[in-house]
Amino acid sequence: DTGVSQDPRHKITKRGQNVTFRCDPISEHNRLYWYRQTLGQGPEFLTYFQNEAQLEKSRLLSDRFSAERPKGSFSTLEIQRTEQGDSAMYLCAGEGGQGAYNEQFFGPGTRLTVL
Amino acid sequence: GEDVEQSLFLSVREGDSSVINCTYTDSSSTYLYWYKQEPGAGLQLLTYIFSNMDMKQDQRLTVLLNKKDKHLSLRIADTQTGDSAIYFCAESIWAAGNKLTFGGGTRVLVKP
Repeated sequence: DTGVSQDPRHKITKRGQNVTFRCDPISEHNRLYWYRQTLGQGPEFLTYFQNEAQLEKSRLLSDRFSAERPKGSFSTLEIQRTEQGDSAMYLCAGEGGQGAYNEQFFGPGTRLTVL
Repeated sequence: GEDVEQSLFLSVREGDSSVINCTYTDSSSTYLYWYKQEPGAGLQLLTYIFSNMDMKQDQRLTVLLNKKDKHLSLRIADTQTGDSAIYFCAESIWAAGNKLTFGGGTRVLVKP
């Protein structure tokens, strides 16, 4: 158990609906990353936060995607007007803390299915 | 841009050693990682190596890095059925936010 939790674990939605996912890292994780993994592929970077500041967004993150980390603890990822191509596993990872400043620990992921 | 490549599949007998290979293109990589993913689960960090090292051993795992050829390998000694999973290598650049660039994964099947 990495201590990183994600909610929900599964989400089924209809095309055009909005969805929001939550990630709770452990308190020592000053960096938080979001990745997307489609079937049969490796995860791809979406965005990351240093404390509450969002420092980088991938070109994969279209205008329909927004992420926040308001108090530097939990983070949310929202997808507006979902499309079938958004179906994937969304993974978050926490990084930081004593002796583990470069190690990213992943949550179990949220599997999104857009019908 | 960065590119990380792995072979798709490896079959090994229980008790034998497994060797999973990975190549990467970015010579600026700071760290190279190995993650394990079991069905329906998130990614488990197995080990990592700093780019100025050429070998790291951690119990049954040995990581070899050939920086000249940009080649990374993971050797699992005495492979067990519980080692059946998908293994991902990944690279990162610390100065660029340490975001991970993953390969496509190698599915390892351990046969009894």
